[in-house]
Amino acid sequence: GQQVMQIPQYQHVQEGEDFTTYCNSSTTLSNIQWYKQRPGGHPVFLIQLVKSGEVKKQKRLTFQFGEAKKNSSLHITATQTTDVGTYFCAGPSNFGNEKLTFGTGTRLTIIP
Amino acid sequence: DGGITQSPKYLFRKEGQNVTLSCEQNLNHDAMYWYRQDPGQGLRLIYYSQIVNDFQKGDIAEGYSVSREKKESFPLTVTSAQKNPTAFYLCASGMGQGWNEQFFGPGTRLTVL
Repeated sequence: GQQVMQIPQYQHVQEGEDFTTYCNSSTTLSNIQWYKQRPGGHPVFLIQLVKSGEVKKQKRLTFQFGEAKKNSSLHITATQTTDVGTYFCAGPSNFGNEKLTFGTGTRLTIIP
Repeated sequence: DGGITQSPKYLFRKEGQNVTLSCEQNLNHDAMYWYRQDPGQGLRLIYYSQIVNDFQKGDIAEGYSVSREKKESFPLTVTSAQKNPTAFYLCASGMGQGWNEQFFGPGTRLTVL
């Protein structure tokens, strides 16, 4: 079945440093979504990418969708303590767009 | 105030008992989903429903059951057949199809003693 992997699984960075998480799918995706889950909280939608090679920015966050639409990345510039949490990518399943397959997640910890 | 609610936030049950987790949304969304999250892990889909009176199994449906009698409600029953029921359960809703974002409830943390 379809697999969506993320690396790294954990990342500890000093406040102010940059952070990147990578998402890789075993199959081509029609679109990819990113979610953030704060510790003890629930996932919250961040963004959706649709086009091959698409790049979107939200303040210090930069999202990219690969040319082959099988991988994606999230880059945070100059991390802040508010960036703490687990970041998930998610893409539609093989069998249609009615459900998402979530990645394994990357947990970001900020060292003040 | 629109949103998706789950109750209770924490739930304790004895082994062998069935337990039903509530999920309600007032976003007028057609699709609803149940996920399970284990410590340090991603989200795994249990069941989903795209329309009233219809639902499909997800990746880990064994030991769980659902109903969708109303558009607003999608309760999940964790049966005694579920071997490792202790987990964080998340309900989500969306307009349907993977093109659209999913909105998550606050979750229910179930502990089976």
